[in-house]
Amino acid sequence: DADVTQTPRNRITKTGKRIMLECSQTKGHDRMYWYRQDPGLGLRLIYYSFDVKDINKGEISDGYSVSRQAQAKFSLSLESAIPNQTALYFCATSDPGGSSYEQYFGPGTRLTVT
Amino acid sequence: AQSVAQPEDQVNVAEGNPLTVKCTYSVSGNPYLFWYVQYPNRGLQFLLKYITGDNLVKGSYGFEAEFNKSQTSFHLKKPSALVSDSALYFCAVRDMEGNDMRFGAGTRLTVKP
Repeated sequence: DADVTQTPRNRITKTGKRIMLECSQTKGHDRMYWYRQDPGLGLRLIYYSFDVKDINKGEISDGYSVSRQAQAKFSLSLESAIPNQTALYFCATSDPGGSSYEQYFGPGTRLTVT
Repeated sequence: AQSVAQPEDQVNVAEGNPLTVKCTYSVSGNPYLFWYVQYPNRGLQFLLKYITGDNLVKGSYGFEAEFNKSQTSFHLKKPSALVSDSALYFCAVRDMEGNDMRFGAGTRLTVKP
């Protein structure tokens, strides 16, 4: 997990506030992902990026935006937070140079929107 | 789009007994299949994968998984469970294009002494 870091680890915010979650990686991977985890739903993909100039929507992108500032950094923003965005958020990376595409996850950010 | 089903929310086994965590998948073409484990307050950790080749795949911590194409299943197994195996387990699938990975809802494994 140390190769993929997320900040903050925990955040409580109020409805309507803008919030940014940050992810950094030292693995040198081109591909980065943002997921949210909800009990009983597993992980759902929000956005993914295959390089700095390539951003793609995932399964549940509404209400979120992302920025790929560099190969090593991928930020997730909630422009106007709402309570149903309360969840555990994970950043992940993968290396397209390999043949298998397994992903490496950060420790997660627990976000609570009140 | 590809999808994964983990039919059991919870699996309970006694330490020393064999364990199985079930997973079925749906994907166009040949699948890439994965198992991840999540311990409390941690991110997901990769356990093992099936890409091609032998249907029985061995991974970390003594876990293995069997790929069955006719049943579209990829069940996780371990011959002798440890209390420390207690965690949340996720099955995942991606298609050969590899644009995204779909995860199951997770199965909570509890191993009792």
